[in-house]
Amino acid sequence: GEQVEQRPPHLSVREGDSAIIICTYTDSATAYFSWYKQEAGAGLQLLMSVLSNVDRKEEQGLTVLLNKKDKRLSLNLTAAHPGDSAVYFCAVSGSGGNYKPTFGKGTSLVVHP
Amino acid sequence: DMKVTQMPRYLIKRMGENVLLECGQDMSHETMYWYRQDPGLGLQLIYISYDVDSNSEGDIPKGYRVSRKKREHFSLILDSAKTNQTSVYFCASSSGTGGYEQYFGPGTRLTVL
Repeated sequence: GEQVEQRPPHLSVREGDSAIIICTYTDSATAYFSWYKQEAGAGLQLLMSVLSNVDRKEEQGLTVLLNKKDKRLSLNLTAAHPGDSAVYFCAVSGSGGNYKPTFGKGTSLVVHP
Repeated sequence: DMKVTQMPRYLIKRMGENVLLECGQDMSHETMYWYRQDPGLGLQLIYISYDVDSNSEGDIPKGYRVSRKKREHFSLILDSAKTNQTSVYFCASSSGTGGYEQYFGPGTRLTVL
């Protein structure tokens, strides 16, 4: 089945710096890609999602890149601020009619003032 | 207002007792999910429901069962709970079947003594 590796597991940046999180997946037929943010004690919040026909999507300081050749999905938080401190998860699904989503293990991001 | 609710938020049970976790959504989403989240393991899919009475096992269904009699409501049942089922349980919903753009509830923290 689908395997997702997410890195780094922990990331510490200064306010205003970029933070980049990467997920690699194994099934080239994967169709759906999403990023979620989880703050302490809360559920996951959908940040951005792309279909497999999209290479790049930008929204409100976030950039998602999809490289299908390398089977790599990335999330770039440009100009991070302390309120971005949280755990971030990628999720993929939709390969070959298998719609069960697979999540990465998460990246704990700390943004220092 | 797009919302997924979970009840109860916190629950303590003794080993061997039955557990009922409830989830509701107000978005008329077809697909609903139950996950558990444990430190270091990320989110693990327990069950997925594609609509009323159309449920499918996820990656870790053993020891759990589900019920979906109304589109907006999805229950997770633990018959004779075990201590290794202590975890945080999340419910989610999405439109369509692709595991794409999921909306999560706030979670239920279950402790089995």
